[in-house]
Amino acid sequence: EAGVTQFPSHSVIEKGQTVTLRCDPISGHDNLYWYRRVMGKEIKFLLHFVKESKQDESGMPNNRFLAERTGGTYSTLKVQPAELEDSGVYFCASSQEGKIPGEGSYNEQFFGPGTRLTVL
Amino acid sequence: GESVGLHLPTLSVQEGDNSIINCAYSNSASDYFIWYKQESGKGPQFIIDIRSNMDKRQGQRVTVLLNKTVKHLSLQIAATQPGDSAVYFCAELNWANNLFFGTGTRLTVIP
Repeated sequence: EAGVTQFPSHSVIEKGQTVTLRCDPISGHDNLYWYRRVMGKEIKFLLHFVKESKQDESGMPNNRFLAERTGGTYSTLKVQPAELEDSGVYFCASSQEGKIPGEGSYNEQFFGPGTRLTVL
Repeated sequence: GESVGLHLPTLSVQEGDNSIINCAYSNSASDYFIWYKQESGKGPQFIIDIRSNMDKRQGQRVTVLLNKTVKHLSLQIAATQPGDSAVYFCAELNWANNLFFGTGTRLTVIP
């Protein structure tokens, strides 16, 4: 079974340009998450989709970031216009049902390899 | 709110030795913690989890310890191997099933 895939693996753009990142979750996973790691810092939660609906977008840094998941399958994350501080690695993850499980079990979030974004 | 962190950004160990990676958290209501391993060019991968009603949980060569009194979490890797070299993150799972990560510890295994 294919895992979570992300495209592109790397993107180098200039400040002010637009970039769109894509994530294809594991087939059948209703939950899709975006995270970001800025150099040397923690991996930060950005937002969470359940199917095509935004369940939680409290981590989105500002309105230059737009995430979509039309049809509840793949998702895109657009940054427009990009700023220097947007550089980092953007991870996507997917999971089955989002409820917190019982003892010892976990509806694991499976992560993609990430997209490394460099804004010059 | 959610807040986790790690004590050391880097850790070097000799192959065959045991590794201990530490993590602190600030929210005493935190209920569920997970350790992730991230290898170069890959996304974070689940290693082991622990709920707040437990003090210890063991997996294959890994053990997670939770000290709720001092709000401290540790990951122990027995007989560390070169393949264990990676960045290790502790993370807290919140009520909405979203993960909040620490800053990560880069483990380097010296052959």
